[in-house]
Amino acid sequence: GAVVSQHPSRVICKSGTSVKIECRSLDFQATTMFWYRQFPKQSLMLMATSNEGSKATYEQGVEKDKFLINHASLTLSTLTVTSAHPEDSSFYICSARDLGFGTEIQETQYFGPGTRLLVL
Amino acid sequence: GQNIDQPTEMTATEGAIVQINCTYQTSGFNGLFWYQQHAGEAPTFLSYNVLDGLEEKGRFSSFLSRSKGYSYLLLKELQMKDSASYLCAALDSNYQLIWGAGTKLIIKP
Repeated sequence: GAVVSQHPSRVICKSGTSVKIECRSLDFQATTMFWYRQFPKQSLMLMATSNEGSKATYEQGVEKDKFLINHASLTLSTLTVTSAHPEDSSFYICSARDLGFGTEIQETQYFGPGTRLLVL
Repeated sequence: GQNIDQPTEMTATEGAIVQINCTYQTSGFNGLFWYQQHAGEAPTFLSYNVLDGLEEKGRFSSFLSRSKGYSYLLLKELQMKDSASYLCAALDSNYQLIWGAGTKLIIKP
């Protein structure tokens, strides 16, 4: 199946610094990628929808100036957590929409392995 | 509003069969997904249903009834490694995934 990679898998940073997380679709082109955040023992929370070549759409309550999203190409989206604080420590997961052209599946999302962020 | 309901936790015995149910209410519908998530890891794709009926993939099967807003994931010949959370998610008319809270499945020897 399709593969989505995320880098880095784990990152520890000091409070006030910025952290960039990359999400790549490895064997398909994704016009749309999604960024999620997961708090312990809770379901995934959609943060924003990233569309190639246009501005990301943020969910209510998510600060767009704090969580910068850039969908530079059909295979790469980046999430930058700016001026990170301890409360930003979380598990960040991206997914890429595969429209399934030429396959039996009409559409699905494939998830990256996640990035665990710890802000000290 | 949009809503996904699934049981919080289920327990089953190794080698047995378990069915995890999911009901959904969404604005439009473009399919239903099941994901498996082990603790500390990202979810992995299990199945996608958009037409009514049963889709079988090895030990896992998924069923959908669009008229009833209902789906289930059936796991056969349970193994200890199947202990995980199982997430049901519906794709709405805007192609956004609406997530359930997940069902924690505990497998006992």
